[in-house]
Amino acid sequence: DQQVKQNSPSLSVQEGRISILNCDYTNSMFDYFLWYKKYPAEGPTFLISISSIKDKNEDGRFTVFLNKSAKHLSLHIVPSQPGDSAVYFCAASSGHFTGTASKLTFGTGTRLQVTL
Amino acid sequence: DAGVIQSPRHEVTEMGQEVTLRCKPISGHDYLFWYRQTMMRGLELLIYFNNNVPIDDSGMPEDRFSAKMPNASFSTLKIQPSEPRDSAVYFCASSLQGGYGYTFGSGTRLTVV
Repeated sequence: DQQVKQNSPSLSVQEGRISILNCDYTNSMFDYFLWYKKYPAEGPTFLISISSIKDKNEDGRFTVFLNKSAKHLSLHIVPSQPGDSAVYFCAASSGHFTGTASKLTFGTGTRLQVTL
Repeated sequence: DAGVIQSPRHEVTEMGQEVTLRCKPISGHDYLFWYRQTMMRGLELLIYFNNNVPIDDSGMPEDRFSAKMPNASFSTLKIQPSEPRDSAVYFCASSLQGGYGYTFGSGTRLTVV
């Protein structure tokens, strides 16, 4: 039972263009969402997050959008750079606003390749 | 800060053997998580501890898997007996808060032949 789904296993984008990575979730109790980036032979590292009371959060070239009614979030990278080539994981937790968040549920990941 | 330290980085073992993966969390972090990465399921939570106490082990696939956290600075994940389908990358992560702020280790790539 995959509560967080990333339906695109891979994505290829040209340098300078926009990369859009998508994520869907099924658990309506999730109230905090995160994106992690993972390079080969390394552990995932935190990239950006958003709480369920917002619909957009921006950090430099990275923007996360949340559509609660559709249970969908996306990560936009503009402009894409070769160093962005990595696997991106979407993650979610519940209990953010009650201070009881305990664990992250991750998706299957999307491999992004930024070509020259 | 050395971060989360996992050992070994790579492990190759024969089916039926016991495998022990080790993790040293970041000092002061009171949550510790064990995840397994596979192509089919992505990052799958196996078990997590809060203040050295196992809180949720519902992700542990079978009785062949066990995890311990004898103190705040050390945890082990043991597979006995190991099977080829256990081949995956196993990550340990620690955090100050349960739902975010995770720091992952570099992982242990386990191959069971």
